Amino acid sequence: EPEVTQTPSHQVTQMGQEVILRCVPISNHLYFYWYRQILGQKVEFLVSFYNNEISEKSEIFDDQFSVERPDGSNFTLKIRSTKLEDSAMYFCASSDSPATDTQYFGPGTRLTVL
Amino acid sequence: RKEVEQDPGPFNVPEGATVAFNCTYSNSASQSFFWYRQDCRKEPKLLMSVYSSGNEDGRFTAQLNRASQYISLLIRDSKLSDSATYLCVVFTGNQFYFGTGTSLTVIP
Repeated sequence: EPEVTQTPSHQVTQMGQEVILRCVPISNHLYFYWYRQILGQKVEFLVSFYNNEISEKSEIFDDQFSVERPDGSNFTLKIRSTKLEDSAMYFCASSDSPATDTQYFGPGTRLTVL
Repeated sequence: RKEVEQDPGPFNVPEGATVAFNCTYSNSASQSFFWYRQDCRKEPKLLMSVYSSGNEDGRFTAQLNRASQYISLLIRDSKLSDSATYLCVVFTGNQFYFGTGTSLTVIP
């Protein structure tokens, strides 16, 4: 069964550093998403991406964040100047139809900011 | 006001029991509704979509009441493998909103 993959599984960084989280969505999917889940809290929507541009973003997704689809397979989330409160699990998801259809989540990247 | 609210539980039930989870959402314009399952430190996985007519998938039954802005999930004949956190998810505007989840532990 096709699946969404994410790398790395765990990223440790120093406060103020930049990190890039990588995702490979399911190959025929066209809609991509990033979510975060702070430990013990709910899953929060960050951004959706379609046709090489952001289609929606939450208030969490400020200028510190950016997304990119640098090639035909990868979908990245860049976090600039990381803060302690950025520590969370970051999930990538993809779907093959407009956002109301099933989303498939990747296993997540656990980001720890020290 | 939270977009999606769920009773966090925990629910501890014996094997074979029937358990029901409830969820309310705040925006009457919400378009689509889902139940996801999340195991500890894992990614959410879609359990089922929820329709006004109600839908069933094996031991799982989901129901939507648009007038009351209420979603339910019923699990019959609980199995040990049903132990997880169940997330109520609502699609509103162009965003998915997740509830905090309801924790279920099925006890032998």
